[in-house]
Amino acid sequence: KNEVEQSPQNLTAQEGEFITINCSYSVGISALHWLQQHPGGGIVSLFMLSSGKKKHGRLIATINIQEKHSSLHITASHPRDSAVYICAAPTGNQFYFGTGTSLTVIP
Amino acid sequence: KAGVTQTPRYLIKTRGQQVTLSCSPISGHRSVSWYQQTPGQGLQFLFEYFSETQRNKGNFPGRFSGRQFSNSRSEMNVSTLELGDSALYLCASCEGHSVGVNEKLFFGSGTQLSVL
Repeated sequence: KNEVEQSPQNLTAQEGEFITINCSYSVGISALHWLQQHPGGGIVSLFMLSSGKKKHGRLIATINIQEKHSSLHITASHPRDSAVYICAAPTGNQFYFGTGTSLTVIP
Repeated sequence: KAGVTQTPRYLIKTRGQQVTLSCSPISGHRSVSWYQQTPGQGLQFLFEYFSETQRNKGNFPGRFSGRQFSNSRSEMNVSTLELGDSALYLCASCEGHSVGVNEKLFFGSGTQLSVL
């Protein structure tokens, strides 16, 4: 069993749609990361959150530490949001990653 | 501030050879961590260095090693390369240790290693 599970694995959306990506984890953590990876490899850290909700532009991340679950929402999706989104759980001496959600937003 | 710089960007090696990858962190960052990314296994944590000391290590064989210099630059070495070592190797930097627990990571663009 993977320490971090993400769903869905692949997602295709029409421009403007509301998108949700889910992440569940089994390890004990104090914060969870959401990462974005565009074709070509570069990874950008979108959020690090330990409780509640964080918002940056059209992106919203939520976490429930007790239920060990986090979600990443994209409102009014745009083709430039097409990327792989990865959730990551640091335990202090290890760093576990989800397998990623490949998002394609069609104009 | 300049971002995290990884060199080289691409590398082709043959089985049995060894390879050294370099990572220069953001100025002021003392932690450098390394990751392997493959289509089959996804992202996996290799190790973390802080103030020239290896703090944490992932589940990789001893062929994978690293070091960090006094200026926080880090190198990663893979000896006796195997076909399965073909991957994108990423490094990330942050100010503190305990990678990712208290702060965001800043990633480099990675080194794409192909082992033939």
